[in-house]
Amino acid sequence: TQLLEQSPQFLSIQEGENLTVYCNSSSVFSSLQWYRQEPGEGPVLLVTVVTGGEVKKLKRLTFQFGDARKDSSLHITAAQPGDTGLYLCAGAGTGGFKTIFGAGTRLFVKA
Amino acid sequence: EAGVAQSPRYKIIEKRQSVAFWCNPISGHATLYWYQQILGQGPKLLIQFQNNGVVDDSQLPKDRFSAERLKGVDSTLKIQPAKLEDSAVYLCASSLRTLVNTGELFFGEGSRLTVL
Repeated sequence: TQLLEQSPQFLSIQEGENLTVYCNSSSVFSSLQWYRQEPGEGPVLLVTVVTGGEVKKLKRLTFQFGDARKDSSLHITAAQPGDTGLYLCAGAGTGGFKTIFGAGTRLFVKA
Repeated sequence: EAGVAQSPRYKIIEKRQSVAFWCNPISGHATLYWYQQILGQGPKLLIQFQNNGVVDDSQLPKDRFSAERLKGVDSTLKIQPAKLEDSAVYLCASSLRTLVNTGELFFGEGSRLTVL
C-alpha cells in the first residue's frame, strides 16, 4: 500500500517567517502534486513535479521532488496571512492511475 | 469553463438511513474520482472511474457504499446504511489523464455529510 507522510501536521508562524513542509514515502511516484485547500472548498493544484531532482518556483513557493521520486518539499519564503490553509501532497503511482493524498499540513500565518 | 458540480452541499441524516451524492465532472474529463475527507485528514480515495469503468475501488466499503458513472459522465455515490463514522466531506474530482499520469485533479466544493 502506498502511503504519503506529511510533516509537520500543524504550523503556526508569524508573517515574514520562512517554512518548509515535507512529504515522504517509501514508494516511488511517477509524479507528485501539491494542492492547497481552504475551508469549505476542494483542493486546488499549486504545482506538479515529474522529474527526480526537479525544482519549481511559484512566486514565494519553491517545490522540490527528491532524486528517487519518493519525497518532496514545499518551502515558503516570507509567509503572508494569505498563505494560511491546508497544504496537501498527492502522489500518482507508477504504471497506474491511482492518486493518493497525504494527511496535510495545516498552516496558520499570523499578521 | 464550468467546474466540477456536486450536490447536495450539506446533508444531515440519522444512522442507518441512506444518502446519495451527485457529481457532474468537467466536460471532456474521462477520469472521475470520489474521495472521503474526514475532518483534520487528507482526502482518501474511495473509487476511481475511467469513462464508465471502475479503475480502482479497493478502499470502497462495498457492504454499504456504492457508486456508478452513467454513460461515462455524471456519477452518484450512495451510502446505505450510514454509520456515524461516515460523517465526512465527500469530494468529487475529475481529470484529463495522460499515459504519464500527471493529470491535474479538479475538485468540486464537496458534500458535507453529518450522521447523527
